[in-house]
Amino acid sequence: AQSVTQPDIHITVSEGASLELRCNYSYGATPYLFWYVQSPGQGLQLLLKYFSGDTLVQGIKGFEAEFKRSQSSFNLRKPSVHWSDAAEYFCAVGPPIQGAQKLVFGQGTRLTINP
Amino acid sequence: KAGVTQTPRYLIKTRGQQVTLSCSPISGHRSVSWYQQTPGQGLQFLFEYFSETQRNKGNFPGRFSGRQFSNSRSEMNVSTLELGDSALYLCASSLGVGSTDTQYFGPGTRLTVL
Repeated sequence: AQSVTQPDIHITVSEGASLELRCNYSYGATPYLFWYVQSPGQGLQLLLKYFSGDTLVQGIKGFEAEFKRSQSSFNLRKPSVHWSDAAEYFCAVGPPIQGAQKLVFGQGTRLTINP
Repeated sequence: KAGVTQTPRYLIKTRGQQVTLSCSPISGHRSVSWYQQTPGQGLQFLFEYFSETQRNKGNFPGRFSGRQFSNSRSEMNVSTLELGDSALYLCASSLGVGSTDTQYFGPGTRLTVL
């Protein structure tokens, strides 16, 4: 069965520091990959997605992610975090099959920013 | 363009009652999916609707049901509520059911079962 692992439940970084959030997946084939962000009391907002092609994808708010097939990973990065980046981040996989939209999410990583 | 809207935003019910949650997708979107979010289980897929037909279903008991109307609006119903049904219920809409169709999420309905 497909699964997504986000090893870090909670990460604290200082404002202006770089950030990397880890995501590993288990899937029979190369799935479609997503990163979503959730601010308190809000729904999920899509940061970026990977379907195929260039393994380094750019997203909104200055985020990027790199797909590494050999490591079954899709880590999210940002060179310099801002206080407004404090939120919960979810990695998700989707089946690369037409007509099947179910997303499987990781448990999430809560990001705290120190001023 | 307005985003996905969910009503109500908050609900308090007691065990044994039933509840209906509503989701209005982004204009032009024809697919609606529902997810349950809890601290213990995280985000779990409930079901997906397209053109008034359920296309995919997660591993939830039959107490959880849904439907979609001709205008793509969707409702989900939970009967005989249990304490464990307390959760944030998120609705997501997309243009179609293609795997590359991005899902846009609403703010959720927070259900508390007492």
